[in-house]
Amino acid sequence: GNSVTQMEGPVTLSEEAFLTINCTYTATGYPSLFWYVQYPGEGLQLLLKATKADDKGSNKGFEATYRKETTSFHLEKGSVQVSDSAVYFCALSDTASKLTFGTGTRLQVTL
Amino acid sequence: GAVVSQHPSWVICKSGTSVKIECRSLDFQATTMFWYRQFPKQSLMLMATSNEGSKATYEQGVEKDKFLINHASLTLSTLTVTSAHPEDSSFYICSASGGAGNEQFFGPGTRLTVL
Repeated sequence: GNSVTQMEGPVTLSEEAFLTINCTYTATGYPSLFWYVQYPGEGLQLLLKATKADDKGSNKGFEATYRKETTSFHLEKGSVQVSDSAVYFCALSDTASKLTFGTGTRLQVTL
Repeated sequence: GAVVSQHPSWVICKSGTSVKIECRSLDFQATTMFWYRQFPKQSLMLMATSNEGSKATYEQGVEKDKFLINHASLTLSTLTVTSAHPEDSSFYICSASGGAGNEQFFGPGTRLTVL
């Protein structure tokens, strides 16, 4: 079956540091890949997505590239801010509807 | 983005009682709603998918008589945990979509504690 593995947190960084959150997946076929973010007290929000190999999703300074050869979709940001503190979920969908999530990675950014 | 609400945000109940959780799409018509369960430090697990006016489709291992799902309108779905037990304690999250292939919008979740 499908599965998503992402690095355990929490990840603690100083403001303006470089962020990488690793995500790898196992799936049949060619899934779409997503990163969701959950800010405290709020629901999950779609951060970015990529639908085919070599696609790069980007939003709010975050980006991730769909790497089919390594089955990875690592999330990166060049300079994090305190406001980026949240839980980040990597997910895949091999159909139009169903999502398979990773366990989530908590990011804490300090001044 | 579209807004999805859940009510209540948290609930504590006694073992053996039933609890109903509501999921509403506030500014769009949700033809499809999803119910997830999340255990501490674990990923969201899809429990069931419901389409408005149809019976819900449950994932393998999810007891449909235990977790009753109703999606009677395009803006409301309910999850009823029947005869709740402590092992049902969890964080329940819903999402709503305007249709197949459309983005899912998530509610803030409901924390259920069964004593």
